[in-house]
Amino acid sequence: EVQLVQSGAEVKKPGESLKISCKGSGHSFTSYWIGWVRQMPGKGLEWMGSIYPGDSDTRYSPSFQGQVTISADKSITTAYLQWSSLKASDTAMYYCARSLGQLLSNFDYWGQGTLVTVSS
Amino acid sequence: NFMLTQPHSVSESPGKTVTISCTRSSGSIASTYVQWYQQRPGSSPTTVIYDDNQRPSGVPDRFSGSIDSSSNSASLTISGLKTEDEADYYCQSYDSNNRVFGGGTKLTVL
Repeated sequence: EVQLVQSGAEVKKPGESLKISCKGSGHSFTSYWIGWVRQMPGKGLEWMGSIYPGDSDTRYSPSFQGQVTISADKSITTAYLQWSSLKASDTAMYYCARSLGQLLSNFDYWGQGTLVTVSS
Repeated sequence: NFMLTQPHSVSESPGKTVTISCTRSSGSIASTYVQWYQQRPGSSPTTVIYDDNQRPSGVPDRFSGSIDSSSNSASLTISGLKTEDEADYYCQSYDSNNRVFGGGTKLTVL
């Protein structure tokens, strides 16, 4: 069974750093892209970027380029999303999701989401 | 870059048919695949239609997708509505460097 299991909810202060994770199982982790999708409170879905763990090829949405860093460790089948300095506007639910192609194909499996709250 | 515009909300009665549109602002809707996701409250999204009109296994055939080049839009049609279909629905497509989601449509089945 394909699973993407995300790390737990986080509460952080503005200016702090954060790295959240997404552990894949039940499929060849290095043969699929893992994407990150933001959902701000009461809002829609926004693609942030995707990584191909097989060779660490990483693509970012123009809207998120420079704002976050996506990485992966294929030895432990885990992808990451990190911030160096959080802002209150980063408060959102973050989903990881799997796709066969970088842009072409749908996200066929999703993680359960990680809620990030940034507040002073 | 382009945008995908969806109606903010639609409502229909159980057993009826509803169609949710997704209009592409620039570039041809037919040039790239359109995906449709369902998100129930408090849950992660799931795919109901992929590659314009394909249904994943487990999605009932009450769900169908289509493309209309004349209006540059995609549509998700749900027939025989059930209360369990009440959810937010998002279309999604892409261009050379970006995946773009529509703003989402809240479907109420009442």
